[in-house]
Amino acid sequence: DQQVKQNSPSLSVQEGRISILNCDYTNSMFDYFLWYKKYPAEGPTFLISISSIKDKNEDGRFTVFLNKSAKHLSLHIVPSQPGDSAVYFCAAVRTGNQFYFGTGTSLTVIP
Amino acid sequence: DADVTQTPRNRITKTGKRIMLECSQTKGHDRMYWYRQDPGLGLRLIYYSFDVKDINKGEISDGYSVSRQAQAKFSLSLESAIPNQTALYFCATSEGSGREQETQYFGPGTRLLVL
Repeated sequence: DQQVKQNSPSLSVQEGRISILNCDYTNSMFDYFLWYKKYPAEGPTFLISISSIKDKNEDGRFTVFLNKSAKHLSLHIVPSQPGDSAVYFCAAVRTGNQFYFGTGTSLTVIP
Repeated sequence: DADVTQTPRNRITKTGKRIMLECSQTKGHDRMYWYRQDPGLGLRLIYYSFDVKDINKGEISDGYSVSRQAQAKFSLSLESAIPNQTALYFCATSEGSGREQETQYFGPGTRLLVL
């Protein structure tokens, strides 16, 4: 039973344009959400997070939006750069409990 | 130097062999985790430990065991390896409970092939 889903396995975007990565979850008890970025042959690295008490969090070119009523979060990257090409995982946790990860979206930014 | 290290980085073994994957961290975090990544399945939790005396099963613990030798060390063992345990294994750490302290930090991974 996949509690966190990323329905798009891959996404291609032109350099300079916006990348939008989506994630859906089923458990309304999740209260903290994170995005991780993974390059080949490396471990996932933390990118940005959002608490369930917020609906938006920005960090430079990266913005995460949370829509609790739809149980949906998204990661916006503006402007996209070739170095952003990686696999992106979303994760959700109910504080004090285990993380649940999505299956990942492979982003390719075309120069 | 990396905060979370894993050894070995790559391992090939045969069915039925016992192997151990090791994880060390210098972040001073109490919590440590073992995940496996399979194509199309994302990251799935095998075991986790909130402190040296605490061990908990994750969603896919069958066929695995762990040992928390110290705050900084968390080992994963496959008692009798089987081919469907071929995967990429990641160790992770976190500071503790409470929103931002939940953020996990990952090692570089161990690629395991069971023949």
